[in-house]
Amino acid sequence: DTGVSQNPRHKITKRGQNVTFRCDPISEHNRLYWYRQTLGQGPEFLTYFQNEAQLEKSRLLSDRFSAERPKGSFSTLEIQRTEQGDSAMYLCASSLLVWGGQDTQYFGPGTRLTVL
Amino acid sequence: AQSVTQLGSHVSVSEGALVLLRCNYSSSVPPYLFWYVQYPNQGLQLLLKYTSAATLVKGINGFEAEFKKSETSFHLTKPSAHMSDAAEYFCAVSVSGNEKLTFGTGTRLTIIP
Repeated sequence: DTGVSQNPRHKITKRGQNVTFRCDPISEHNRLYWYRQTLGQGPEFLTYFQNEAQLEKSRLLSDRFSAERPKGSFSTLEIQRTEQGDSAMYLCASSLLVWGGQDTQYFGPGTRLTVL
Repeated sequence: AQSVTQLGSHVSVSEGALVLLRCNYSSSVPPYLFWYVQYPNQGLQLLLKYTSAATLVKGINGFEAEFKKSETSFHLTKPSAHMSDAAEYFCAVSVSGNEKLTFGTGTRLTIIP
């Protein structure tokens, strides 16, 4: 169990550029979540996958945001035409959901995005 | 919709003193409640979770929380603060215990030597 990893840890970009973040979940975890955390706030839910299926998207996830989880392993979060308001910490979490149980979400270290 | 409110964005306690971080929840169904800790420039680490099995939940690092339905509260406590407890603490709720978390705004805990 090597934990959830996220790359890159920091990303600085100019407004209007596209960025992509990667999340590698804990091996064999079937659920993967994305959250966004702005300064002084708690994390806010963006979207989540069960295996490769994207089951829910928050209204926070505008059409400039897209997430994928091909083959149910790692996931990518892409932001197109970045805006200064996209500056935040993007957190990924994974969990193992078993039938009839509750899952526990394990978080990665996050990717801090700064849009200039 | 579910929500949590954390009273006090900053709490300072002396080393060795009692730590009390407050969390009140709002939920239309029996909630699943969580406390996470976040150290600077790190992700969130689960301290403990309430899943209706027992109202007093013990977690890691000596923390515990008590679920009080009548007060809609899930306050986090630790009998004796340690310098290493300085961090940001988040209370969170989910509907069924196996879906998205809704977080509070966090409480920054400072330990005074």
